[in-house]
Amino acid sequence: QKEVEQNSGPLSVPEGAIASLNCTYSDRGSQSFFWYRQYSGKSPELIMSIYSNGDKEDGRFTAQLNKASQYVSLLIRDSQPSDSATYLCAVNRGSTLGRLYFGRGTQLTVWP
Amino acid sequence: NAGVTQTPKFQVLKTGQSMTLQCAQDMNHNSMYWYRQDPGMGLRLIYYSASEGTTDKGEVPNGYNVSRLNKREFSLRLESAAPSQTSVYFCASEDKGSYEQYFGPGTRLTVT
Repeated sequence: QKEVEQNSGPLSVPEGAIASLNCTYSDRGSQSFFWYRQYSGKSPELIMSIYSNGDKEDGRFTAQLNKASQYVSLLIRDSQPSDSATYLCAVNRGSTLGRLYFGRGTQLTVWP
Repeated sequence: NAGVTQTPKFQVLKTGQSMTLQCAQDMNHNSMYWYRQDPGMGLRLIYYSASEGTTDKGEVPNGYNVSRLNKREFSLRLESAAPSQTSVYFCASEDKGSYEQYFGPGTRLTVT
């Protein structure tokens, strides 16, 4: 079983809609969770970090964490064409200092 | 404040040639990482350095060596390049308190 799994996509939503990206992880001891955005041909860019159960909001982005279900999600409200990118979920398992495990990413397209 | 810088941006090698990819960060981070990214494979960890003077293997270390020259610089060396090493290479550094990793712009390497 892969450590971090994401819905494979691609995901396509109209402008103004809510995009929902999902991620599950296998190690119950995982402690830190991250969402990265990667535009085509560019490097991953950190957009959200979450460490405790519940929701964390930053502008149009909301990260949700449920450690009991081993599930983390990213909601993008009022999606814009500029949000079109691949979104990577990353998990720090805690047992190996600082090591992040990445999912393979979900490609999001927001059409006008 | 440049963040994480990498050189070169692009490189073409012939099989058997050697080269060193350079990475530097100006965020005073202790931990630094080298990843490769291939289509459909996601980000895979090659080597990491938790602090100056220490290095450890990641998921795919074969064919690579690293040097943590000082706190700022972490280099990746390919001693005898193979076509299987054609990839995009990213360097990252990590904030100790948050475990957030910040990526450089990447090196696109082609081995023919």
